[in-house]
Amino acid sequence: DIQLTQSPSFLSASVGDRVTITCRASQGIASYLAWHQQKPGKAPKLLIYTTSTLQSGVPSRFSGSGSGTEFTLTVSSLQPEDFATYYCQQLNSYPWTFGQGTKVEIK
Amino acid sequence: QVQVVESGGGVVQPGRSLRLSCAVSGLSFSSHAMHWVRQGPGKGLEWVAVISYDGNYKNYIDSVKGRFTISRDNSKNTLYLEMNSLRVEDTAVYFCVTEAGPRRFGPWGQGTLVTVSS
Repeated sequence: DIQLTQSPSFLSASVGDRVTITCRASQGIASYLAWHQQKPGKAPKLLIYTTSTLQSGVPSRFSGSGSGTEFTLTVSSLQPEDFATYYCQQLNSYPWTFGQGTKVEIK
Repeated sequence: QVQVVESGGGVVQPGRSLRLSCAVSGLSFSSHAMHWVRQGPGKGLEWVAVISYDGNYKNYIDSVKGRFTISRDNSKNTLYLEMNSLRVEDTAVYFCVTEAGPRRFGPWGQGTLVTVSS
């Protein structure tokens, strides 16, 4: 199975900060990487698919990049509604595994 | 607007069975692969199973192979997860997820809680 490791696991930031989360895969996954956002008690929500394509309705302050084994999610200017847990997911081969999550909290 | 609504969760004893359902509206259900994902209490996300648009392809995470069966009824726009020989470690919120496009994982349902306890 392909393992995904996110860093950091926990991030404390202020409104307006630029935030970057990294996701590393144990083997190459081409561009088949997605990012999901989950708020407490809610279902996850797809933000980005195939590394850099923004899901409809997602604000443009979110962006994704990378290829092969290293990927990043960037929030250009953190807003109050962005405090949540973020998960990367590889869709290259089954089982479609997730990273352990990165919790973004208010500093 | 795509709507994904799970049902069927509850409390069940170890070794018993439970069937989850997922009703989908707002898209052409019979054209899309569907998935189940679970999240244990205080834990991360774990992909569980997939079924192709026509039901001919299925795949499962190793820990549920031989115990869980994913199926669909395209005439009812409904996805199922039959869970047998349940274990305490199967306790989780189970999410139904539409594969809206090739490797486009969403939208997600709100989830249904399964608790396996004696």
